[in-house]
Amino acid sequence: SAVISQKPSRDICQRGTSLTIQCQVDSQVTMMFWYRQQPGQSLTLIATANQGSEATYESGFVIDKFPISRPNLTFSTLTVSNMSPEDSSIYLCSAARVNYGYTFGSGTRLTVV
Amino acid sequence: AQTVTQSQPEMSVQEAETVTLSCTYDTSESDYYLFWYKQPPSRQMILVIRQEAYKQQNATENRFSVNFQKAAKSFSLKISDSQLGDAAMYFCAYRSAYGGGGADGLTFGKGTHLIIQP
Repeated sequence: SAVISQKPSRDICQRGTSLTIQCQVDSQVTMMFWYRQQPGQSLTLIATANQGSEATYESGFVIDKFPISRPNLTFSTLTVSNMSPEDSSIYLCSAARVNYGYTFGSGTRLTVV
Repeated sequence: AQTVTQSQPEMSVQEAETVTLSCTYDTSESDYYLFWYKQPPSRQMILVIRQEAYKQQNATENRFSVNFQKAAKSFSLKISDSQLGDAAMYFCAYRSAYGGGGADGLTFGKGTHLIIQP
């Protein structure tokens, strides 16, 4: 399965600022995703990162707040914009190839103060 | 939309014993995939086992096996000979077999915290 490098692993940010999280996969993958895991909670899909086009967002998540890029088959970024303390969560990148399992990055623990 | 329910927030088992984690799901689809993931304190999501809905045979991976009851929409995970390293959060997840948009992503249950008593 693919190996994912996600960074930063953690950050503490001031409210009103933005943070960009990077996800690098060691091989070409068909699909890439971004999830949010709020403290003590399960994972919720934010969006599917589409290569060369706009991401597909799930209900409750919008592009202005969570802009996503995927310039090629192995790299994606998620930006958390205009942050508030409610954005404090773990953000995880995931990648999948057809007929293979889903691999996850080690997550970014974001604290907004 | 599909939902995944894990009714056991926490389970505890003695080392070397067997434990079963419950998962039910709701879907109107006939073809899909089910997963169990393990998340230790390191936050890394680790695939434990995967089941294709069209396969009647229950998946097994060493000490891990599932009891897949499609009609009942139930997908429980059995861990045999529990080891201290099995302690973690366990998440059940669903994925549609019909792709497109968010349907390719995973829908997770709320998780079960598994404690292994030495």
